[in-house]
Amino acid sequence: DIQMTQSPSSLSASVGDRVTITCRASQTISNYLSWFQQKPGKAPKLLIHAASSLQSGVPSRFSGSGSGTDFTLTISSLQPEDFATYYCQQSYSTSYTFGQGTKLEIK
Amino acid sequence: QITLKESGPTLVKPTQTLTLTCTFSGFSLSTSGEGVGWIRQPPGKALEWLALLFWDDDKRYSPSLNNRLTITKDTSKNQVVLTMTNMDPVDTATYYCAHTLTSGIDLFDYWGQGALVTVSS
Repeated sequence: DIQMTQSPSSLSASVGDRVTITCRASQTISNYLSWFQQKPGKAPKLLIHAASSLQSGVPSRFSGSGSGTDFTLTISSLQPEDFATYYCQQSYSTSYTFGQGTKLEIK
Repeated sequence: QITLKESGPTLVKPTQTLTLTCTFSGFSLSTSGEGVGWIRQPPGKALEWLALLFWDDDKRYSPSLNNRLTITKDTSKNQVVLTMTNMDPVDTATYYCAHTLTSGIDLFDYWGQGALVTVSS
């Protein structure tokens, strides 16, 4: 199985900050990487697919990069509605593994 | 627009079989590239992918749960059914179904609201 490891597990930041979350795959996954945002009590929402493609309707302050084993999700200027938990997911192998999540909290 | 909704029991006993139904609209599972997947999330924990079914009846299962899962579709009813045998308290989770679009990369782009299933005697 491909393991996905996110860092950090939690992060405190302020409105307006630039934030970066990292996801590392245990083996190469090319660009088969998605990012999701999940708010408490809600279903996950797809933000980024194919490592860097912004899903329709997602604000442009979200961006993704990376290929192979190392990926990042960047929020250029945090807004109040961005405080949530973020997950990466690989779709290179049909185990579709998720990372353990990064909880983004208000400082 | 695409919508999905999970339905099924909220409480099951250990060793019982869980049957969940995903009823969807806005797409057809007879259309090339379309699929429906199931993902679960134990309280306070991370997401775990369970199973995926494509328009051509290609079925994929989590390697760790493969022998307990079955996914089927009823195209005429716009439904996908997941069964999980031999339920255990550790299977207590919110179960989500999600629309999956494949065009080289499989995307889980629309999700249902989730259904909480508790396993307890």
